[in-house]
Amino acid sequence: EAGVAQSPRYKIIEKRQSVAFWCNPISGHATLYWYQQILGQGPKLLIQFQNNGVVDDSQLPKDRFSAERLKGVDSTLKIQPAKLEDSAVYLCASSPRLIDTQYFGPGTRLTVL
Amino acid sequence: EDQVTQSPEALRLQEGESSSLNCSYTVSGLRGLFWYRQDPGKGPEFLFTLYSAGEEKEKERLKATLTKKESFLHITAPKPEDSATYLCAVTTSGTYKYIFGTGTRLKVLA
Repeated sequence: EAGVAQSPRYKIIEKRQSVAFWCNPISGHATLYWYQQILGQGPKLLIQFQNNGVVDDSQLPKDRFSAERLKGVDSTLKIQPAKLEDSAVYLCASSPRLIDTQYFGPGTRLTVL
Repeated sequence: EDQVTQSPEALRLQEGESSSLNCSYTVSGLRGLFWYRQDPGKGPEFLFTLYSAGEEKEKERLKATLTKKESFLHITAPKPEDSATYLCAVTTSGTYKYIFGTGTRLKVLA
């Protein structure tokens, strides 16, 4: 069974630039999560989708972050414009259903200069 | 406010030296507690799920236990390949949110 795929693996941008991350969950998984993990900290949930609907986006900085999950499969997370404090690893995870074991992708390491 | 605290932040063990990692939680109602292992440069990898006090799960050298206030991850006779960051997360009644702790960085020396 293929795992969660993410791209790119690494991204370096200047502050105020835009960036987008892509996630392809495990086939058949209804729930998809985006997390931000700052070095030395645990993952912080940004947004959670159930199929193509948003379940929780209470911690998503909506003035600069946006996410979508078209057709209930792939998802894209965008940051526009980026700030220095956005430097982190962005993890995507999926699970068969809500409140189930999550399976994580390898993450995208973002560096904002 | 729902909170998850892990201790210690970092732990160095000699190979074969058993120890325990702690995950304490303050939540309105526990739905489930999850343990994950995270290697550098990788996403967290699922280890265990515990749902009720008194429950125990085992996998190789790892054993997870749960009480009403905390969970322990016991590592018996660890090997260098057990070196990683161990994360716990809880889900609470009434929400669908995972709350992660900050993790324990374990280093096992040969």
